[in-house]
Amino acid sequence: DTAVSQTPKYLVTQMGNDKSIKCEQNLGHDTMYWYKQDSKKFLKIMFSYNNKELIINETVPNRFSPKSPDKAHLNLHINSLELGDSAVYFCASGLAGGNEQFFGPGTRLTVL
Amino acid sequence: QQQVKQSPQSLIVQKGGIPIINCAYENTAFDYFPWYQQFPGKGPALLIAIRPDVSEKKEGRFTISFNKSAKQFSLHIMDSQPGDSATYFCAASRGTYKYIFGTGTRLKVLA
Repeated sequence: DTAVSQTPKYLVTQMGNDKSIKCEQNLGHDTMYWYKQDSKKFLKIMFSYNNKELIINETVPNRFSPKSPDKAHLNLHINSLELGDSAVYFCASGLAGGNEQFFGPGTRLTVL
Repeated sequence: QQQVKQSPQSLIVQKGGIPIINCAYENTAFDYFPWYQQFPGKGPALLIAIRPDVSEKKEGRFTISFNKSAKQFSLHIMDSQPGDSATYFCAASRGTYKYIFGTGTRLKVLA
């Protein structure tokens, strides 16, 4: 299936832990994104990468560190997790020069 | 200037009704206005999109109306069905790297 995939789908962890979320797209896109959707369903962009280079960093705490090993992957590592980090995190991809973004199924992070 | 305001927050209509969701923006540099549909437990999926040089776009039962002078755009769902029950997000972007999303509208279509 051509798609944007994320692992894990659910992540439950304690405050202070470090965790990673992985994202892969097989759509041949050169741009990838991380979005955060909070409990009120509000969707906000966190990061945007084009050809493995960081394009947008939307005032996200530096506890969040994205890493793009290649154009098809964009992983999100979070250090020292806080209660307020609990949310659904969506990865998305698209083409530079195009506008449509394709979203993954999301990772629900719960910090206890 | 970067906000996209969306209303209503929630909407309940009878099957066959025409729900209308409205969005307003401030930044006249935005050049792409998509609508995304999100079902519970799923990621948002593109429904329909419009550029500011067009005042209306239809795709199946979904229509976007765009008013450039008022800086507003809206989504109309014709002959709504229970399967249309979802959360709908408008968005705006300038260039290709950044969407600004509206706050979402939770639509419920009653059978």
